[in-house]
Amino acid sequence: EVQLVEAGGGLVQPGGSLRLSCAASGFTFSSYWMSWVRQAPGKGLEWLANVNRDGSAKYYVDSVKGRFTISRDNAKNSLYLQMTSLRAEDTAVYYCARDETLYGSRTADYWGQGTLVTVSS
Amino acid sequence: DIQMTQSPSSLSASVGDRVTIACRASQSISSYLNWYQQKPGKAPKLLLYAASSLPSGVPSRFSGSGSGTDFTLTISSLQPEDFATYYCQQSHSTPRTFGQGTKLEIK
Repeated sequence: EVQLVEAGGGLVQPGGSLRLSCAASGFTFSSYWMSWVRQAPGKGLEWLANVNRDGSAKYYVDSVKGRFTISRDNAKNSLYLQMTSLRAEDTAVYYCARDETLYGSRTADYWGQGTLVTVSS
Repeated sequence: DIQMTQSPSSLSASVGDRVTIACRASQSISSYLNWYQQKPGKAPKLLLYAASSLPSGVPSRFSGSGSGTDFTLTISSLQPEDFATYYCQQSHSTPRTFGQGTKLEIK
C-alpha cells in the first residue's frame, strides 16, 4: 500500500525557516517524481514544486522560487521541502504527492495527509 | 502560466441527480487534464486523468470529456459520498495549475 506521511509543520515567525519531510513507503520511491502542493485555509490547491527521480531536476512555481527548495533522499525514501523567508501567505496545509506518468504526463496519484504550517508572530 | 477556470464555483444538487462541472484552460492543453475530489479535512483524491481516464477503483458514474481548452466532469447519478469539492488541474506544463474548485453541496 502506498503511504506518504508528512512531518515538520508548525508555527513559525515571519521571516523564519522550516523544513518539511515526507516519508514514503509501499512503492519504489526512486522510480517516481515527487511533488509538493499546498492549500491555504479555506482556499484551493496550489502546486509548488516537483523533483525528478534522482533529484537532479527541480521545478517551482514563481511564488516560492528562490525561497523554497525541494529535495529528496532516495536511500531514506524521503522527500523534503526547505522553506525560508516565510510569509503570512505561506500559511497552509502542505501535501506531498507521488507523480505517476499517466498518458505521457506527470500526475499526482497518491497524496499524504498533509502538515499544517502557520506563519505568524 | 496556464490559468484554469472552473464553473460553477458551487453547486447544490440532490442524490440521484446528474451533475456537470466545467473547466476551461487559458490555452490549449490537449488532453492533459486531471480531476481531483477533496472532502473536508482530507487530502485530494485523483478522480480522472488525461481528461477521461478513470484510475482503478473510481466508480464509473464519474466521467470526463474535452480536449484543447474546454473540459467537463460529469457525475451520472449523485451518491451521498460524492458531496465534496472538485478541482481540475492541467498537467501540460509547469507550474501544474489548478482550477479554483467547485463545491458540490446537498440540496
